Amino acid sequence: DADVTQTPRNRITKTGKRIMLECSQTKGHDRMYWYRQDPGLGLRLIYYSFDVKDINKGEISDGYSVSRQAQAKFSLSLESAIPNQTALYFCATSDALDVYGYTFGSGTRLTVV
Amino acid sequence: AQSVTQLDSQVPVFEEAPVELRCNYSSSVSVYLFWYVQYPNQGLQLLLKYLSGSTLVKGINGFEAEFNKSQTSFHLRKPSVHISDTAEYFCAVTQLARGSNYQLIWGAGTKLIIKP
Repeated sequence: DADVTQTPRNRITKTGKRIMLECSQTKGHDRMYWYRQDPGLGLRLIYYSFDVKDINKGEISDGYSVSRQAQAKFSLSLESAIPNQTALYFCATSDALDVYGYTFGSGTRLTVV
Repeated sequence: AQSVTQLDSQVPVFEEAPVELRCNYSSSVSVYLFWYVQYPNQGLQLLLKYLSGSTLVKGINGFEAEFNKSQTSFHLRKPSVHISDTAEYFCAVTQLARGSNYQLIWGAGTKLIIKP
């Protein structure tokens, strides 16, 4: 099994719909992250969580919300999807000092039509 | 504010030729440095990292990078590329300072295009 599992892998949804992307990890790390990737823009941080009770906004949190249900689970929601949220979404986890780097999931390709 | 600059958005190179992907960062404190690779239709994976010690670090698949503190650079190199190296490469930095939360700051990525 993968260290970081994202579901679904692909999703097409309509404008205005609510959608949830899920992430679970088996690394035992406290830190989890949600990023979106757009061509030419690299990775942009949406939300991050350093433990179950610590959730923080990233640089592009508008239109998104998150829930940290447990140390191993971190879900991302789009309350009312819009077409410019079409992107590749990655979940990642890391240890406290990032000394071992981040472990990424395989990504969720989301298309909003 | 700290930042990471990858100077080339795309680097085309012939197979078996050497390649260098450039990364510069800005920071007034000590840093950890990373290179990640993203193969087509996959997530990112760690290629190599510099934490301390020798400034030349070796990673997977024959890649290496050199930390140059005076030039605030961490360029990635490979002496002979293969078609399987086609991917996007991301440079990232963690700033070692109180209050930084040790989060990664990412470059915009460089696409390595291998020409047969």
